Amino acid sequence: DIQMTQSPSTLSASVGDRVTITCRASQSISSWLAWYQQKPGKAPKLLISKASSLESGVPSRFSGSGSGTEFTLTISSLQPDDFATYHCQQYNSYSSYTFGQGTKLEIK
Amino acid sequence: QVQLVESGGGVVQPGRSLRLSCAASGFTFSAYGMHWVRQAPGKGLEWVAVIWYDGSNEFYADSVKGRFTISRDNSKNTLYLQMNSLRAEDTAVYYCARARNHYDSSGYFPDVWGQGTTITVSS
Repeated sequence: DIQMTQSPSTLSASVGDRVTITCRASQSISSWLAWYQQKPGKAPKLLISKASSLESGVPSRFSGSGSGTEFTLTISSLQPDDFATYHCQQYNSYSSYTFGQGTKLEIK
Repeated sequence: QVQLVESGGGVVQPGRSLRLSCAASGFTFSAYGMHWVRQAPGKGLEWVAVIWYDGSNEFYADSVKGRFTISRDNSKNTLYLQMNSLRAEDTAVYYCARARNHYDSSGYFPDVWGQGTTITVSS
C-alpha cells in the first residue's frame, strides 16, 4: 500500500504569512493527489485535486504543486479562516486510497 | 444543493454489528461512486471502502476487510455500511463522501462529504 507522510505535523503561523505544507508518497502517484481542509467538529472540505487543480469557490491564495512523490500545499497570505487541519490524500489506484496524517495550522 | 446525511451511529459492544446509512440528495446518486472514510478521536482520516456507481465493484481497507460491507440502493439514493465483529479500534466518526474522478484517472477522490456519524465500540 502507498504511504503518505505530511510535514510538519503542526505549523504555527500568523495572519498574512505564507505557509507551505508538504506531502510525500512512498511511491509515485503521478498527480493523483487531493488536499482537504478540516475544522474542528466539521467534515473535510475539498480544496485541490490532481495536485494543483483548485476546486471552484476555493480562494486563490491556496495553491498546490508537485508530481510523482512530493507535493506541496501553499497558502500565500494566511487569513483567520485558514487556521485548520489540512490533509492530503492519494487516489492513484481505484482499489486503495490513503490519507496523510494531517497538518494542524495554528495561530502563532 | 448536494447533500449527504449519515445516520445509524451509536454505542455498541465489541463483537456486535451496526449498519450505517447515508442519504444523498441534490445530485444523480446512481452516476457516482461513493466512499466511506473514518476518523478516530484525535486522529487523521482513514479510508474505509469504496463502491462503484452501479454497485458492481467494492474495495476495502485491510483493517476492515471481511468485517465491513459497503452497499447501495440507487432507487433510494442511499449508501450503506454494514459493520460486523466491531472492535474498540473501530471507534470513530464515519463519513460518507461522493467519489469523483478525472477523465484520465483510475482512482476516485472524495469531493462532497456528509457531516459524519459517530460510532463508539465499548463494553
